Amino acid sequence: KAGVTQTPRYLIKTRGQQVTLSCSPISGHRSVSWYQQTPGQGLQFLFEYFSETQRNKGNFPGRFSGRQFSNSRSEMNVSTLELGDSALYLCASSLGEGRNTEAFFGQGTRLTVV
Amino acid sequence: AQTVTQSQPEMSVQEAETVTLSCTYDTSESDYYLFWYKQPPSRQMILVIRQEAYKQQNATENRFSVNFQKAAKSFSLKISDSQLGDAAMYFCAYRSYGGATNKLIFGTGTLLAVQP
Repeated sequence: KAGVTQTPRYLIKTRGQQVTLSCSPISGHRSVSWYQQTPGQGLQFLFEYFSETQRNKGNFPGRFSGRQFSNSRSEMNVSTLELGDSALYLCASSLGEGRNTEAFFGQGTRLTVV
Repeated sequence: AQTVTQSQPEMSVQEAETVTLSCTYDTSESDYYLFWYKQPPSRQMILVIRQEAYKQQNATENRFSVNFQKAAKSFSLKISDSQLGDAAMYFCAYRSYGGATNKLIFGTGTLLAVQP
């Protein structure tokens, strides 16, 4: 069973540009969550999608957005990039329903904004 | 709002010895999940152990066990017979019960070094 796949693994962008990151969850999983990891702020929840609907959102500006497709793959987009957006972006997939639902993480996308 | 606190930024242990990582949390909910995740240099988060708050029995997974004190809101991880491969960042995490969200709230992490 394939794990969670995040692409690309590394990305370098310039301030003011926008970027799109992709996450393919484990087959059968309907929930995808995104996290930002930085040395200063640690791991922070961005948002969660379940069956193509955003059902939870963290405290990030509107420049951060996401979506989920019918095959459960998810993308997150950051517009007007700032230096502070440099981070490791982690995606987690889970079944999304019921008590015993474990989150499986991808290897992350390392975004550097210069 | 729920919070998770890890007060030990770094810990060190000798190979084959035992080490305990601390975690405290704050919540007004009565039912929830607690997790320990390991993040090695590869950066991929790996689930180490999970505890459901309604279960009084402490969870164990091979060399890993937890000490869950619900009243004290404490959730420590004990690693027995430490191995070089255990060296990593360890995060404590909280998740509300129920199917409405899979949001995880993480602590700031403890960097564990294992000395040969």
